[in-house]
Amino acid sequence: GAGVSQSPRYKVAKRGQDVALRCDPISGHVSLFWYQQALGQGPEFLTYFQNEAQLDKSGLPSDRFFAERPEGSVSTLKIQRTQQEDSAVYLCASSSGLLAGAYNEQFFGPGTRLTVL
Amino acid sequence: GDSVTQMEGPVTLSEEAFLTINCTYTATGYPSLFWYVQYPGEGLQLLLKATKADDKGSNKGFEATYRKETTSFHLEKGSVQVSDSAVYFCALSERNTDKLIFGTGTRLQVFP
Repeated sequence: GAGVSQSPRYKVAKRGQDVALRCDPISGHVSLFWYQQALGQGPEFLTYFQNEAQLDKSGLPSDRFFAERPEGSVSTLKIQRTQQEDSAVYLCASSSGLLAGAYNEQFFGPGTRLTVL
Repeated sequence: GDSVTQMEGPVTLSEEAFLTINCTYTATGYPSLFWYVQYPGEGLQLLLKATKADDKGSNKGFEATYRKETTSFHLEKGSVQVSDSAVYFCALSERNTDKLIFGTGTRLQVFP
C-alpha cells in the first residue's frame, strides 16, 4: 500500500513524561527499523525487528527505551521518563527482508519530532 | 566500530556546476555503500547504492564508485539543478545485516 507512516508527527513532552511513538510499515514488509536523528546529525540505529521478533536492540541508549511489534506489523517505540537529551527525530523504516544475504532497501517514514522541555 | 565520515556542509553551488560530496568509511568486512537524500519536508530516500568494490551506483544523474583501496564512496553530479537542493547522507551496511550506519549529512544548496 502506501509508504511508511508515523504518528504523531510532532510530540512535545515535559521532562519525566512517558511517550509512545507509532510506526505503520509498508504492508507485508517483514523487517522494521527504528533510528534516532539528533539535530544536525545522521540517523543512528536503535533497534530492528523481523516480524514480531526483536533481533537487535543494541542501539537503544538506555533501559528507558522500549520497542515492540507484537503482531509483526505496527510497531511502537516507547520512551519512559523522558529527558532533554531524548529530543530528536525518530525515524522508522521497513523493508521486505526477503533477500537473504543481500541488502533489502529500507523505506523511511517522515519521522516523529520529539521535543522534551 | 564501523563508521562513515562525510564532508561538512553546506555546499553552495550555482545551477549547472559540478558537484562532489566526499565520503569515506571504516568497516570490518565488505560493506554495502549507499547515498540517501532528504528533500525539504520529505523522508529519507535511497539515491544510489553499490554492493561490492569497483561497483558504480547511479541515479538521476548522480554517481558514486565503491573504492575499496581508498575506502571511499564520493558522490558526483556533472550539472546540478536547483531541485537537487537537499541533505545527502552517505551510509553503509555490513554484509548479512540491513542495519544502516550513516554519516552526519551534507546540505547542498543550489542557486539559479
